[in-house]
Amino acid sequence: AQSVTQLDSQVPVFEEAPVELRCNYSSSVSVYLFWYVQYPNQGLQLLLKYLSGSTLVESINGFEAEFNKSQTSFHLRKPSVHISDTAEYFCAVSERSGGSYIPTFGRGTSLIVHP
Amino acid sequence: ETGVTQTPRHLVMGMTNKKSLKCEQHLGHNAMYWYKQSAKKPLELMFVYSLEERVENNSVPSRFSPECPNSSHLFLHLHTLQPEDSALYLCASSQAPSAGGGDEQFFGPGTRLTVL
Repeated sequence: AQSVTQLDSQVPVFEEAPVELRCNYSSSVSVYLFWYVQYPNQGLQLLLKYLSGSTLVESINGFEAEFNKSQTSFHLRKPSVHISDTAEYFCAVSERSGGSYIPTFGRGTSLIVHP
Repeated sequence: ETGVTQTPRHLVMGMTNKKSLKCEQHLGHNAMYWYKQSAKKPLELMFVYSLEERVENNSVPSRFSPECPNSSHLFLHLHTLQPEDSALYLCASSQAPSAGGGDEQFFGPGTRLTVL
């Protein structure tokens, strides 16, 4: 069974500083990778995803993630964070289970941006 | 209404009560999911329905009973819950769990459940 590890439960950072949120998964067999963000009192929403092709994927609000097959990682980065980026971030991996693709989520990383 | 909606947003119940959570998606998706979100734990997948048929049940206790009457609606019936069942229950939908694996999930805002 797939497992997803987000090593950092909390990442405090100052505004305009760079940030990296780490994600590692257990299986390197064909997988699809996602980052979701959860703002307070809301459900999760997709930030970006990797399906195939270029290993670097970007979101519309400046986040990017790089798929590294050899290290089974999909770390999320942003060169300069804003206060509004304060939220919980979840890494997810989708792999085939029988006839379906079922996602597995990590524990989440709380990004706290200080002014 | 757009996206995925959940009612109620907050629920407090005793261990002997029976209640139901409701989820509705307005996206034309074929798959719906129930997740349990507890503090500092990974999101726990509880149930998956595809085209109204249950395709995944991750050994959830029988005090949780799902119902999917059509592709737009999903219920979670609760009875004789325990205090450790207190959590945020999230509903999600996607095009289909078997559509290549690359489909994103769309989540509702969740129901915050407290069991006394």
